[in-house]
Amino acid sequence: GESVGLHLPTLSVQEGDNSIINCAYSNSASDYFIWYKQESGKGPQFIIDIRSNMDKRQGQRVTVLLNKTVKHLSLQIAATQPGDSAVYFCADQDGRDNYGQNFVFGPGTRLSVLP
Amino acid sequence: DTEVTQTPKHLVMGMTNKKSLKCEQHMGHRAMYWYKQKAKKPPELMFVYSYEKLSINESVPSRFSPECPNSSLLNLHLHALQPEDSALYLCASSQGTSGGVYEQFFGPGTRLTVL
Repeated sequence: GESVGLHLPTLSVQEGDNSIINCAYSNSASDYFIWYKQESGKGPQFIIDIRSNMDKRQGQRVTVLLNKTVKHLSLQIAATQPGDSAVYFCADQDGRDNYGQNFVFGPGTRLSVLP
Repeated sequence: DTEVTQTPKHLVMGMTNKKSLKCEQHMGHRAMYWYKQKAKKPPELMFVYSYEKLSINESVPSRFSPECPNSSLLNLHLHALQPEDSALYLCASSQGTSGGVYEQFFGPGTRLTVL
């Protein structure tokens, strides 16, 4: 089966610096990817998504990059703020899934923003 | 209303108890999900309902029994649980059920402790 993993379990950055969170996936049939942010005591919150026909997508202070050749996904957060401290999960979906429902989550990266 | 609500927020139960978790959304979403999340782990899919019918059961033990009374409500009935079932139980919903991929909106979760 497919799996989604992360290279680093924890990441500490200085406030104001840029953060880069990485994600590796193994299913070559995955065609939709989401980044979620989960703060302590809360459910995952959607940040940004990208489809496999794109290699970059930008949101407000966040950018997702997709490299299908090496099955790698990254989330870039510009000017990291204390409120960005959370666990970040990538999740992917198999394009053959007719229901469009079964997302596989990666193990997560904890981002800590230092003052 | 763009919120998924879950009750109770916390639940402590014995191994012989019967309890239920409740989830509600009023976004008109036709797919609803139960996930289990252990500490420092990603969410794991348990069940998916599409148009109030069970479409995915990820080999979940029968001591967990889902129910979808209508398109806005999702329950998870618990009976004879084990201590290892202690976890955060997350409910999610999404707009569509087939022919595409749709962002999942998560509730805050129910923190379950089985004694």
